[in-house]
Amino acid sequence: AQKITQTQPGMFVQEKEAVTLDCTYDTSDQSYGLFWYKQPSSGEMIFLIYQGSYDEQNATEGRYSLNFQKARKSANLVISASQLGDSAMYFCAMREGYNQGGKLIFGQGTELSVKP
Amino acid sequence: GAVVSQHPSWVICKSGTSVKIECRSLDFQATTMFWYRQFPKQSLMLMATSNEGSKATYEQGVEKDKFLINHASLTLSTLTVTSAHPEDSSFYICSATLAAGEQMPQYFGPGTRLLVL
Repeated sequence: AQKITQTQPGMFVQEKEAVTLDCTYDTSDQSYGLFWYKQPSSGEMIFLIYQGSYDEQNATEGRYSLNFQKARKSANLVISASQLGDSAMYFCAMREGYNQGGKLIFGQGTELSVKP
Repeated sequence: GAVVSQHPSWVICKSGTSVKIECRSLDFQATTMFWYRQFPKQSLMLMATSNEGSKATYEQGVEKDKFLINHASLTLSTLTVTSAHPEDSSFYICSATLAAGEQMPQYFGPGTRLLVL
């Protein structure tokens, strides 16, 4: 069965520094998608970045980049130049292929706190 | 683009009443919508997958008669919590997607906080 693991329940980072949030996954599918979402205290889930299993280059979106290591089955999120507004829960997720209904499987989440 | 709205954002009700939550995709047609439940400091738990014009597919352990889902159009899905009890108090959040492919992100609504007294 597919599974997502985030081993860091909480992380602290100093403002303006970079931080890496870990995510490992387990699947027997060849085609899958990996996503990161941010959930501030308001509760909304904000889509940050996507990496496809066939993508050879790491995805980047502004200050967010995804360190994709397929052989290790890891998809770590890197946030550069942290800002106070980055304090939130971060969830890694994997989307199953079409034949599996396209469901998202979420990790346990990492609570990031940015210190001024 | 890809905006999903959810209404209401907050609801407080008495035990035994039914509560309806609406999820709308505002600027795209969603082939599939998903309903999640989230407890404090925990991850999202998928309750059901909803496709327009067909019956929802519920996850194991989710009571179909308790949580009624209707996907009336490509832009609207509703979740009705019937005969709500205090243990149904939770954060309910929906998402919508353009297609079921693994490369398509799900876009989430802002969520609904339900408190059953």
